[in-house]
Amino acid sequence: GAVVSQHPSWVICKSGTSVKIECRSLDFQATTMFWYRQFPKQSLMLMATSNEGSKATYEQGVEKDKFLINHASLTLSTLTVTSAHPEDSSFYICSAGLAKYNEQFFGPGTRLTVL
Amino acid sequence: AQSVSQHNHHVILSEAASLELGCNYSYGGTVNLFWYVQYPGQHLQLLLKYFSGDPLVKGIKGFEAEFIKSKFSFNLRKPSVQWSDTAEYFCAVNAPAGNNRKLIWGLGTSLAVNP
Repeated sequence: GAVVSQHPSWVICKSGTSVKIECRSLDFQATTMFWYRQFPKQSLMLMATSNEGSKATYEQGVEKDKFLINHASLTLSTLTVTSAHPEDSSFYICSAGLAKYNEQFFGPGTRLTVL
Repeated sequence: AQSVSQHNHHVILSEAASLELGCNYSYGGTVNLFWYVQYPGQHLQLLLKYFSGDPLVKGIKGFEAEFIKSKFSFNLRKPSVQWSDTAEYFCAVNAPAGNNRKLIWGLGTSLAVNP
């Protein structure tokens, strides 16, 4: 149980375009979803926390207008990287939290490359 | 502010050697503690977690960790490593009450096991 999927697993896009990444909890309802960014050989950097039906809470230094997060249902959250630039190239990971557990379950990540 | 420090950034061992990776956190209240592993090219997997009870926690693949409250530590151990344990290891902490179960991450330890 507690499986989280992400789609796509990798994406290449041109500079200036927008990219949407989906995060789904497949077998449970996630009240909270988290979006992380991971640079090569580095730890995870929390970008934002999203609760179903409400606005995401962004970490300091993360541009909310650039990284749009929507958490429309208890099983789906999306991250849209708007007007992507090469410096946005990274590994984006989502996780989902269960209300009754203090634990997060991680998706496999999405590799974004902006040309 | 809460923080997590992992003392060893890079560890190189030979197979069958014993492993201990240090993790210390700073937080005055009750915490939940986690160790995650990320194998090359794969997503994060939970190795083990501590919420309460026996401070010696056993996880998957022969790993264990001991929570020492007085030292604010949660060190990861394995008596005999294998080549397949080559991976990045991350320690993480969250506070069980409030804060949306946000995880605070260590910078990670890169473990290379030579056959």
